Amino acid sequence: EAQVTQNPRYLITVTGKKLTVTCSQNMNHEYMSWYRQDPGLGLRQIYYSMNVEVTDKGDVPEGYKVSRKEKRNFPLILESPSPNQTSLYFCASRSGQGAGNEQFFGPGTRLTVL
Amino acid sequence: GIQVEQSPPDLILQEGANSTLRCNFSDSVNNLQWFHQNPWGQLINLFYIPSGTKQNGRLSATTVATERYSLLYISSSQTTDSGVYFCAVEFNTGGFKTIFGAGTRLFVKA
Repeated sequence: EAQVTQNPRYLITVTGKKLTVTCSQNMNHEYMSWYRQDPGLGLRQIYYSMNVEVTDKGDVPEGYKVSRKEKRNFPLILESPSPNQTSLYFCASRSGQGAGNEQFFGPGTRLTVL
Repeated sequence: GIQVEQSPPDLILQEGANSTLRCNFSDSVNNLQWFHQNPWGQLINLFYIPSGTKQNGRLSATTVATERYSLLYISSSQTTDSGVYFCAVEFNTGGFKTIFGAGTRLFVKA
């Protein structure tokens, strides 16, 4: 089944404790992206990647890191989480290095930073 | 700056009614999608529609790229249509950023 998976689905952590949220897709998509969703603010793009070793900032990259060492995986790293990073996070992927094609979203990761 | 605006922000319908949701965007786009977010938070692809018209059952969508807007039509609404509807637009502005509208929150009463 074609899908985007994220792990963990739920996470409660404490300020400053490094964490990684994994994202994996099995559709051989070039483009992958991370979003966060906050009440009243909708979904905002954190980082995206056009292909292996190619990443770029979205609208809210501060406090996050990403890497794209393999085509199928695009982990989101929070080196020192803070309470303002409490949010619902979505990973997405689509085919094509350039423009176009629909994005497919993972199920979301609900992160709480105390 | 680049903007995506959705209207109305909130909508309450009686079951069986029709509705039109609108998405305005400020620049030329690479692609545009409509999503439904269900009460469990899952984002469900409705349409990939950078231009033209598509239909899927009771739902249809039209994007007029030259006039920078897209419409989502819901006919004969059902209670299961409740949730938040988002349009997401990918712009080509030296990168490939995606911007979501703030959403339309729909509640369909039985």
